[in-house]
Amino acid sequence: GENVEQHPSTLSVQEGDSAVIKCTYSDSASNYFPWYKQELGKRPQLIIDIRSNVGEKKDQRIAVTLNKTAKHFSLHITETQPEDSAVYFCAASIVGYGNKLVFGAGTILRVKS
Amino acid sequence: ETGVTQTPRHLVMGMTNKKSLKCEQHLGHNAMYWYKQSAKKPLELMFVYSLEERVENNSVPSRFSPECPNSSHLFLHLHTLQPEDSALYLCASSQDRGMGYEQYFGPGTRLTVT
Repeated sequence: GENVEQHPSTLSVQEGDSAVIKCTYSDSASNYFPWYKQELGKRPQLIIDIRSNVGEKKDQRIAVTLNKTAKHFSLHITETQPEDSAVYFCAASIVGYGNKLVFGAGTILRVKS
Repeated sequence: ETGVTQTPRHLVMGMTNKKSLKCEQHLGHNAMYWYKQSAKKPLELMFVYSLEERVENNSVPSRFSPECPNSSHLFLHLHTLQPEDSALYLCASSQDRGMGYEQYFGPGTRLTVT
């Protein structure tokens, strides 16, 4: 089955700097790659996703890149702000009959002001 | 109430108890999910229901029993749990086979098994 590895497990950046979180997946059939943000004591919320027919997607300060050949995808946050501090999870799935997401272990991002 | 709701939000139970977790989605979705979130472990998918039919059972022990009576409601029945089952149990829903694949999560039930 699918296996998703996420690095780093913790990341500290200065406010205004960029943050990059990387994930690798094992199943070449995976075609959907979402990123979720979970603030302390709150539910995970989707921040951006990418499908396998696209190499890059951007939404304001957040971007995701996908390299299908290498089977890895990355989250890029630019101009980080204190409210970006949270746990970020990547996931991978084969969209079909039930979207069975396999999650990475998560990255704790701390933005220092 | 909008989105995905879960009750109870907190639950403490003994190993011999029987309890149920409830999830309700108000988004018109047709797929629902149970996840387990433990400290220092990835979110683990437990069960998937699509169009009210179970399509995934991720090697979950039989002491966890899901029920999906309709596309808006999902239950997780618990019996004779172990202390290692203490975790945050998250429900999610999505529109299956549609253009949008986003899973919307509920706030979770914090379960403590004593």
